[in-house]
Amino acid sequence: QQQVKQSPQSLIVQKGGISIINCAYENTAFDYFPWYQQFPGKGPALLIAIRPDVSEKKEGRFTISFNKSAKQFSLHIMDSQPGDSATYFCAASTASTSGSRLTFGEGTQLTVNP
Amino acid sequence: NAGVTQTPKFRVLKTGQSMTLLCAQDMNHEYMYWYRQDPGMGLRLIHYSVGEGTTAKGEVPDGYNVSRLKKQNFLLGLESAAPSQTSVYFCASSYSWGAGWTSNQPQHFGDGTRLSIL
Repeated sequence: QQQVKQSPQSLIVQKGGISIINCAYENTAFDYFPWYQQFPGKGPALLIAIRPDVSEKKEGRFTISFNKSAKQFSLHIMDSQPGDSATYFCAASTASTSGSRLTFGEGTQLTVNP
Repeated sequence: NAGVTQTPKFRVLKTGQSMTLLCAQDMNHEYMYWYRQDPGMGLRLIHYSVGEGTTAKGEVPDGYNVSRLKKQNFLLGLESAAPSQTSVYFCASSYSWGAGWTSNQPQHFGDGTRLSIL
């Protein structure tokens, strides 16, 4: 059972364009929503994260938009660059003494054409 | 500062063989995790550990065993490899939970082990 659904599976954007990746979750106990970026042959690395009491978080060209009532959140990459070409994973977790158990989405392969 | 190091990087096994994947971290993290990554399925948690000498099951633990005898090492074992275990395996580590927002500590990943089982 996939508790975090991610779309699209792949995305092609022109340089300078806006890349948008969407995620939806089911578990209302989730209280931490990070995005990870993965380059070929490498492990995922934390890109940006948001908590559910804010609707938006921006770090440079990367913005997370969060809609608690719809149980959806999205990643926006402004002025997309070829160097942004990677696989992006949304994730979610709950605060727990049993460890930070992240539930990942399926991933989106982003290609930014020059 | 190496971060999270996984050994080996590649391995080919025959069905029924056993092997151990090693993960080592030098960040003094309490928590460690093993994931498998398959196309179209994201990363799925196999087992995790919240401290030396402790282990717990994740989402897909069947067919795998783990041990954490030292704080810096987390071993993933396949006792009798099956073709369904062909995957890329990632180890990650993080600090332990704090309070409130700071309790969400980022996970640091290794570069993975590509395992093929014929």
